[in-house]
Amino acid sequence: QVQLQESGPGLVKPSETLSLTCTVSGTSISSGYFWGWIRQPPGKGLEWIGIIYHSGSAYYNPSLKSRVTISPDTSKNQFSLKLTSVTATDTAVYYCARDPGQYQRYYYLDVWGKGTTVTVSS
Amino acid sequence: QSALTQPASVSASPGQSITISCTGTGSDIGGYVYVSWYQQHPGKAPKLMIYDVSNRPSGVSNRFSGSKSGNTASLTISGLQAEDEADYFCSSYSTSSSLSVFGSGTKVTVL
Repeated sequence: QVQLQESGPGLVKPSETLSLTCTVSGTSISSGYFWGWIRQPPGKGLEWIGIIYHSGSAYYNPSLKSRVTISPDTSKNQFSLKLTSVTATDTAVYYCARDPGQYQRYYYLDVWGKGTTVTVSS
Repeated sequence: QSALTQPASVSASPGQSITISCTGTGSDIGGYVYVSWYQQHPGKAPKLMIYDVSNRPSGVSNRFSGSKSGNTASLTISGLQAEDEADYFCSSYSTSSSLSVFGSGTKVTVL
């Protein structure tokens, strides 16, 4: 059974870098599939941040692309999110999730982490 | 990325059926079968309910069904139950984005 778990600081200061990690269990990220980050501001809808393949190929939301990096760490079976120069508008619940396409994307997310709340405030 | 359009809320009594619409364009819903639906209870992560327009993942009740006509996808919940009260989001592949796009979300209330 595939499970995902987000971890990282719950509070980040404005202008600093938000760093989160998603730990994958039940499968190896090296075996394929696509691994993504999605966020949800308080009381709002879902917003894509980006998605990667285990090889490191990445697709980012154009509105965040200049500030986002998503990277795999196959040795730890994790993938990470870095979002630079954060502001209050980056306050949200951050989810990691899997697109189950082994070699090409299926464009749906079948496994989600429980989410982690990140607040941007001084 | 433009969000797909969903009604803000839908409500019905237990046992009734409801249909949630998700309207896009020919560049997303109308052009592809990559439409999915997610259920989200308060404080919980989204859960996949439908993928590829009308397919149910293992373990999802057959009271949930999906369809598509033109640029509009629909999620129907039959025999509404109290546990179905949640937010529902649609999603679709879009040629305007290398990522898929999400709908604006619909709050389902069981009266």
